Amino acid sequence: KNEVEQSPQNLTAQEGEFITINCSYSVGISALHWLQQHPGGGIVSLFMLSSGKKKHGRLIATINIQEKHSSLHITASHPRDSAVYICAAWGNQFYFGTGTSLTVIP
Amino acid sequence: SQTIHQWPATLVQPVGSPLSLECTVEGTSNPNLYWYRQAAGRGLQLLFYSVGIGQISSEVPQNLSASRPQDRQFILSSKKLLLSDSGFYLCAWSGVSQETQYFGPGTRLLVL
Repeated sequence: KNEVEQSPQNLTAQEGEFITINCSYSVGISALHWLQQHPGGGIVSLFMLSSGKKKHGRLIATINIQEKHSSLHITASHPRDSAVYICAAWGNQFYFGTGTSLTVIP
Repeated sequence: SQTIHQWPATLVQPVGSPLSLECTVEGTSNPNLYWYRQAAGRGLQLLFYSVGIGQISSEVPQNLSASRPQDRQFILSSKKLLLSDSGFYLCAWSGVSQETQYFGPGTRLLVL
């Protein structure tokens, strides 16, 4: 069993839809990251969370430390949001989820 | 500002050939450095990390090795590549707190 589990693995949405990607972890952590990997392979850090909620543009990330669960939400999704979204938990090392591949159709 | 470079961007190598991937960081001192591999359809796997010159920790036993000859230079090597070494190799750096990592552009390696 992986220390970090993401769901769903693949997600296809129509442009404008509200999207949620979930991440559960089983290790003790001090921070949780959401990463975005573009089709070319480059990875960008979207959020680092240790509690509560953060918002950046149309992206919202939440974390529930007690339940060991985090969600990434995308409001008013757009085709340029198509990417792989990776959850990474930082304990004494990074534990990575396998990613959620999102495709937003115009 | 800090930047991280990797080269080459793409590499096609025959089985049994050697490998050398280079990663350099600019704009920071004494970074923690990491090598990751992302195989097709799989998540990121930590291969090596380094907290200083000459200090390398290996997470996964394999035919790869890493070296840190200078503070901001991290090299991933192999003496003989295997087909299973194909993948996307990412270098990353972090500060002392290690909470935020910054990724390089990656090297796509295909072993034939």
